Amino acid sequence: GENVEQHPSTLSVQEGDSAVIKCTYSDSASNYFPWYKQELGKRPQLIIDIRSNVGEKKDQRIAVTLNKTAKHFSLHITETQPEDSAVYFCAASGTGGFKTIFGAGTRLFVKA
Amino acid sequence: GAVVSQHPSWVICKSGTSVKIECRSLDFQATTMFWYRQFPKQSLMLMATSNEGSKATYEQGVEKDKFLINHASLTLSTLTVTSAHPEDSSFYICSARVPGGIQGYEQYFGPGTRLTVT
Repeated sequence: GENVEQHPSTLSVQEGDSAVIKCTYSDSASNYFPWYKQELGKRPQLIIDIRSNVGEKKDQRIAVTLNKTAKHFSLHITETQPEDSAVYFCAASGTGGFKTIFGAGTRLFVKA
Repeated sequence: GAVVSQHPSWVICKSGTSVKIECRSLDFQATTMFWYRQFPKQSLMLMATSNEGSKATYEQGVEKDKFLINHASLTLSTLTVTSAHPEDSSFYICSARVPGGIQGYEQYFGPGTRLTVT
C-alpha cells in the first residue's frame, strides 16, 4: 500500500524566513497531493493541493512542488509569520476510492 | 467549504464501557466517510472507510468488532468503541469527501472527539 514519509518532524524558523517541508510517496498510482494545516486541538484544514500533472502551484505565500519521477513533493512557506505555527501534514491519494494516506507531520514553530 | 461536525467533542468513560461518536455532514450528503485516530503529536491513522448502506472497510490491524462503524444515512456515520480500555484513549477524527476541487473531490475533517478511558 501507499506509504508517505515526511521530513523534518520539527522545524523552527525566524519570522520572515522561509520554511520547507518535504515528503516522499511510494505508490506511483497516487496522483493527488494535498497539504493540511492543523492547529493545536483543531481539525486539519486543507491549505493547498496539487495533482500529478502539474509540477508547481502557488497560492500567495504558500507553494507546492512535485517531482513525479522521484516521487517527491514539498511545501514552501515564504515570509513566515507566527500564525503559521502549526502542524503540517502532507498526504497522497488517487482517484475514485483511493484512500488518503498522511505523512507523520511537521511541527512548525515561527519565532517572532 | 463543507461542514463536518462531530459529537461529542470530548468524552470520559470507564474501562469496559462503550462509547458512540457521531459524525455528521451538515450541508452535503456523504456516501463515504473516513475515521481516523490521532495520538498526541502523531499523524492521522486511517482506521476505516465508512460506506453508506454497506459494511465499513477496515484497515489492517483495526479490530472491526471493537470499533463498530455504522453509516446509516447519507449524513451520519457513527463509530462505537466497545469495551473501551485506557489504550483506546485518543483523538478520533472523521472526514468526508465532497465533490469539487482539482481532483474531483476535497476532503473535509470534523473537529475531532477526544476520548479518555479511565
